[in-house]
Amino acid sequence: QVQLVESGGGVVQPGRSLRLSCEASGFIFSSYGMRWVRQAPGKGLEWVAAIWYDETNKYYADSVKGRFTISRDNSKNTLFLQMNSLRAEDTAVYYCARDRYQKYFDYWGQGIMVTVSS
Amino acid sequence: EIVLTQSPATLSLSPGERATLSCRASQSVSSYLAWYQQKPGQAPRLLIYDASNRATGIPVRFSGSGSGTDFTLTISSLEPEDFAVYYCQHRSDWPRTWTFGRGTKVEIK
Repeated sequence: QVQLVESGGGVVQPGRSLRLSCEASGFIFSSYGMRWVRQAPGKGLEWVAAIWYDETNKYYADSVKGRFTISRDNSKNTLFLQMNSLRAEDTAVYYCARDRYQKYFDYWGQGIMVTVSS
Repeated sequence: EIVLTQSPATLSLSPGERATLSCRASQSVSSYLAWYQQKPGQAPRLLIYDASNRATGIPVRFSGSGSGTDFTLTISSLEPEDFAVYYCQHRSDWPRTWTFGRGTKVEIK
């Protein structure tokens, strides 16, 4: 069965960096686009970043453009999100999700909490 | 940028009742719309894609309809496990972004 497991979250000071990982199993990782979606405490869902199966295309929400970088290692079935210059408003649960038809998100990880606070 | 407006914000119903949730797009999205369910402390789950197609394993009591700018998620008879928050979502072509509505909470009356 499809499994996505995020790691790397925690508490970080404003302006610092953090790298999230998402380990995938149960499907051919190298054949699927992947996404990061976040959810601030008590708020709705916000798409963060997208990457094509072969890394040929990457897209970012305006709120993270220039600060976050999405990448993947298909040899290790792992998705990454490098987060730099973190702000308090980046505090959220971060989910990795598998792409479906380049439009939707058909499987989700359990989420990992990132708290940006001094 | 396309904005998705969900209504109502909260729907108070009893088990066994019919739930009708609305999602309105600020411009036409054809049939490229999905619905997700999220329970407290859990990740979202894909229910419906392309406006009316049930995702794998989704019970038949969930159905989606609509096209263009107006979409509806219907739960024909609410089960206790259906009380949750529901989001609609669309991917825009230009700029390439994925947008969610603000959600509708279905709560027990």
